This record gives sequence, structure tokens and C-alpha cells, in this order.
Amino acid sequence: QKEVEQNSGPLSVPEGAIASLNCTYSDRGSQSFFWYRQYSGKSPELIMFIYSNGDKEDGRFTAQLNKASQYVSLLIRDSQPSDSATYLCAVNREYGNKLVFGAGTILRVKS
Amino acid sequence: EAGVVQSPRYKIIEKKQPVAFWCNPISGHNTLYWYRQNLGQGPELLIRYENEEAVDDSQLPKDRFSAERLKGVDSTLKIQPAELGDSAVYLCASSLEGRNGVYGYTFGSGTRLTVV
Repeated sequence: QKEVEQNSGPLSVPEGAIASLNCTYSDRGSQSFFWYRQYSGKSPELIMFIYSNGDKEDGRFTAQLNKASQYVSLLIRDSQPSDSATYLCAVNREYGNKLVFGAGTILRVKS
Repeated sequence: EAGVVQSPRYKIIEKKQPVAFWCNPISGHNTLYWYRQNLGQGPELLIRYENEEAVDDSQLPKDRFSAERLKGVDSTLKIQPAELGDSAVYLCASSLEGRNGVYGYTFGSGTRLTVV
């Protein structure tokens, strides 16, 4: 079992729709959770991070965390073609400050 | 504020040749990471530095890979000799650590290595 698992996709949504990206993790002691966006040929850029159970909103993005289910999600409202990218979920394990990344989900927003 | 600076952006070498990558982190960031990203995969940690000390190098293939971070600022990652399977993007990242641990990383633009 991989430490951080994501559906590789591609996830295709029409412009203006809500895109829902999901991630599960195996280390129950994980403390913090991150979503990165990576355009083709570019390096990952941080979109959001979340530490506490519940929702955290930032503009069109909402991160959701459920530690009991070991589940993190990212919702993108009013999806735009410019949101088309690979979205990486990363988890900071309980011990040792390093992020463990999932393989990423490819998102395609069609205009 | 300048971001994490890496060089070179691209490198093509023949197998068995040496190669080196350089990284300059964001000023004041005490923690520096080298990650390797294979096509279609997420980044995988090679080594983590806190200031000048390598605190996690458990996934660094020590028979051919070496790294250093002199004076706790710039860092160099070296491969000698390179193998075909080393073809990947090598990402450097830096971070500040706070009360809740890492506040996420800032990545450099990466070095795309092709071994032929």
C-alpha cells in the first residue's frame, strides 16, 4: 500500500463545474496536508494546506480533511481551462518533517 | 524575494558520466530538500537538510549519489556514475518550520536530467 494514494485520472470536467480531487493516506499520525498544482514541464506550486478536520476555503479552492477516515480532498469551484494540471496531494508524516507525495491526479477542464 | 534557484535547467549526459546539480534556497529557509520526480509520478525525497546537517538521507542511493550543503545555504547534488534509470527531474525545495511543522515547500524550477 502506498503511503499517499490518488486516482491518476484524467478527471475531465466542463468549464464552470466543480472538480473534486481525492487523496487517502496510510500514516494515521500524519499532521498536515498539502495540495500542489503542477503544470506540464513545471515544478509543483503550493495551493493550500490544512491541519485540522473540516473545511478550509481559499477563493475557488476548498480543502477538506477527515483524519478518522484518513482522507483529504480538494474542491475547485467554477473550474477554468487554466486549472488543467496535475494535482499532487502531500502529507507531512508524524515524525520527521518531510512531505510524502501521491502520484497526482490529472485534471482536464474542457471549455 | 527570489525563489528557490536551481541550475542547470536541463542536462543530457552519457551513462557512466558524472553530473552535478546546484540549488540556492530562499533566504532564511533553514530546511532544504532534494526530490526526484519520475515521469507520471510524484516527487520522492532523496535527502533533507536542516541547516548544514543531513537529517534524512535514507532514500539517497549512496553508492552513486552524494550531496552537500556548505554553510547551510547552497546545496549540490552529485551523481557519479550516472545510469540510464537516473533520468528524471531533480527538484530542490526549501521551507521554514513553524509550530505546526513544515509550512509547505517552495520548489525550484528543477533540473531535467536525461542519461543516454
